[in-house]
Amino acid sequence: AQSVSQHNHHVILSEAASLELGCNYSYGGTVNLFWYVQYPGQHLQLLLKYFSGDPLVKGIKGFEAEFIKSKFSFNLRKPSVQWSDTAEYFCAVNVISNTGKLIFGQGTTLQVKP
Amino acid sequence: SQTIHQWPATLVQPVGSPLSLECTVEGTSNPNLYWYRQAAGRGLQLLFYSVGIGQISSEVPQNLSASRPQDRQFILSSKKLLLSDSGFYLCAWSVRPGGYEQYFGPGTRLTVT
Repeated sequence: AQSVSQHNHHVILSEAASLELGCNYSYGGTVNLFWYVQYPGQHLQLLLKYFSGDPLVKGIKGFEAEFIKSKFSFNLRKPSVQWSDTAEYFCAVNVISNTGKLIFGQGTTLQVKP
Repeated sequence: SQTIHQWPATLVQPVGSPLSLECTVEGTSNPNLYWYRQAAGRGLQLLFYSVGIGQISSEVPQNLSASRPQDRQFILSSKKLLLSDSGFYLCAWSVRPGGYEQYFGPGTRLTVT
C-alpha cells in the first residue's frame, strides 16, 4: 500500500532560521505531490504542488519544494522562517487515478520563536 | 469562486446517538468529494470519497457511512456513535477527474461523550 512519511513531527526554530521538512513516499508509479499548511484556527490550504516539469517548485509565502524521484522525496524548504509560519504542515501524494485520493503524511508542527 | 461549507462547526453527542455532518460545495459542478478525519499526530485519514451522485467508496471499515444525494452535497452519518468517533472531520473537493489539488472545508469538531 502507498504511504507517506514525514520525518519531523515537531520542529522549533527561531525567526530567520532556515527550514527543511522531509517527506518520503512509497509508490513506484507516477504521482502528484502536495504540501498543505494549516495555520492555527484556519482551513487546511495548499502551499505548493508538483505535477510534472521542473522538480523545484515554488509556492506561497516563500516556500519551495524539490521532487527527487530517485529518492521518492519531496522536501519542503524556506530560507528564512517568520513567526507567522507557525503552523502544521502536511505532505500528500496522489497516485494518478480518477478518484484523486490523497495519502497524507502524519504532519509536522512547526513552532517559530520570535 | 468556489466555496466549501461544513456544518455544524462543533458538535457534542452522547455515545449511541446518531450523527449527520453536512458538506456542500458552491461554484463548481461534478466535483470529486472526500471525507477525512484528522487526529493529532496522525495526519488526515481518508474515510470516504465520491466521484458522482450515489457513488460512495469507503476506505476504512468503521461505524460511519456517507451519502451523496446531490451533486454538490456530501453527508457523513452514523446510526450509533462510539467514543472512538470523536475527532476533527474535514470535507474536501477536487475537480474531476481526480489527481489535482483538493480544497478543504473548515471542519467539524465532534466530541462523543
